[in-house]
Amino acid sequence: EVQVVESGGGLIQPGGSLRLSCAASGFTVSANYMSWVRQAPGKGLEWVSIIYSGSSTYYADAVKGRFTISRDNSKNTLFLQMNSLRAEDTAVYYCATGHFDSIVWGQGTLVTVSS
Amino acid sequence: DIQMTQSPSTLSASVGDRVTITCRASQSISSWLAWYQQKPGKAPKVLIYKASSLESGVPSRFSGSGSGTEFTLTISSLQPDDFATYYCQQYNTYSWTFGQGTKVEIK
Repeated sequence: EVQVVESGGGLIQPGGSLRLSCAASGFTVSANYMSWVRQAPGKGLEWVSIIYSGSSTYYADAVKGRFTISRDNSKNTLFLQMNSLRAEDTAVYYCATGHFDSIVWGQGTLVTVSS
Repeated sequence: DIQMTQSPSTLSASVGDRVTITCRASQSISSWLAWYQQKPGKAPKVLIYKASSLESGVPSRFSGSGSGTEFTLTISSLQPDDFATYYCQQYNTYSWTFGQGTKVEIK
């Protein structure tokens, strides 16, 4: 079964850094595209970043230059390094990957940016 | 970026009603559209992928149609468990975009 599980969220002060992890099972992260999507409290879904099997990466304008997506093939894990965090980055962060023509999502990890 | 316009934003309906939600893309996305159901505090759940393919385990009362720029999610007979928020999402380009959501409420 294809599954992804996020971790690493928490409370962080503005300007701080946090690294989210997404552990994959049932597939190889290097062979799939993998994406991060976030949802601020009471708001809709917002795409954050994506990494393709060929290692191309893309970012939403709101996080470009502050967030970095990467993967560790030996650990079969996806990461999101988040720097210079702002209050508006407060959200549940979801990891998602393609499975045939569908998309598999994790349960999310909450990031709260507050002093 | 491709814009996704979803309507209505809120829908009041009764158990047994036929419900239709529409999603319009600002440019063609072929059939790369997914529909999600989300309940409070939970992750989005895939209902439909590639515009009209029913995700495994999803009841057959859910169906999707459309291609290009116009898409529809239909619930043939609304059940108590279906009261939730629904989102469309295009994944034709690397920059995924989502509709604003449709909250289905009890009438």
